[in-house]
Amino acid sequence: DAKTTQPPSMDCAEGRAANLPCNHSTISGNEYVYWYRQIHSQGPQYIIHGLKNNETNEMASLIITEDRKSSTLILPHATLRDTAVYYCIVKNTDKLIFGTGTRLQVFP
Amino acid sequence: DGGITQSPKYLFRKEGQNVTLSCEQNLNHDAMYWYRQDPGQGLRLIYYSQIVNDFQKGDIAEGYSVSREKKESFPLTVTSAQKNPTAFYLCASSPSRGRLETQYFGPGTRLLVL
Repeated sequence: DAKTTQPPSMDCAEGRAANLPCNHSTISGNEYVYWYRQIHSQGPQYIIHGLKNNETNEMASLIITEDRKSSTLILPHATLRDTAVYYCIVKNTDKLIFGTGTRLQVFP
Repeated sequence: DGGITQSPKYLFRKEGQNVTLSCEQNLNHDAMYWYRQDPGQGLRLIYYSQIVNDFQKGDIAEGYSVSREKKESFPLTVTSAQKNPTAFYLCASSPSRGRLETQYFGPGTRLLVL
């Protein structure tokens, strides 16, 4: 599975969009991009995934660049409850390989 | 409610003792997984099972054992051979084993060594 690179931490004001970047420059053609988040001391929560098209669901949007070497998770209106560690994962098997993620702090 | 349950939430182990962590799911999922998380780190795969009576080692299986006698249950035993068992243990399941399947996680069990 391809490795991912994420900034260790980010801040976002409540009500504003949070844009979390992920670099996966070694991704191969059949690898999906998955995003999970983990609120302190809880199990990870699935957010969204995609292959090459942009995706949107009730939680977030996923923007994947045309060359697929990077992606951005967008939380359109961040709330205090969105404070968590966000993991970007590339996956072409059933295994999820978690890195250290981005710690997003949403402030009032 | 459908979901994954793990018990207990906190577990204490004495030196040389085996302990078993419970994971149950009522999602009718075929595949189940155990991960370990150390402070400030991502998750690492211990064992996984794609069907009843079948399981495979993950990346850090040494000192752990599992069983899959029922579809809904996948208990993890931390044996005395695991020299550094203090960690947060997470169980997950997915409809089947495959790259397109999304894994869903339980709330976790925190294991502490006395």
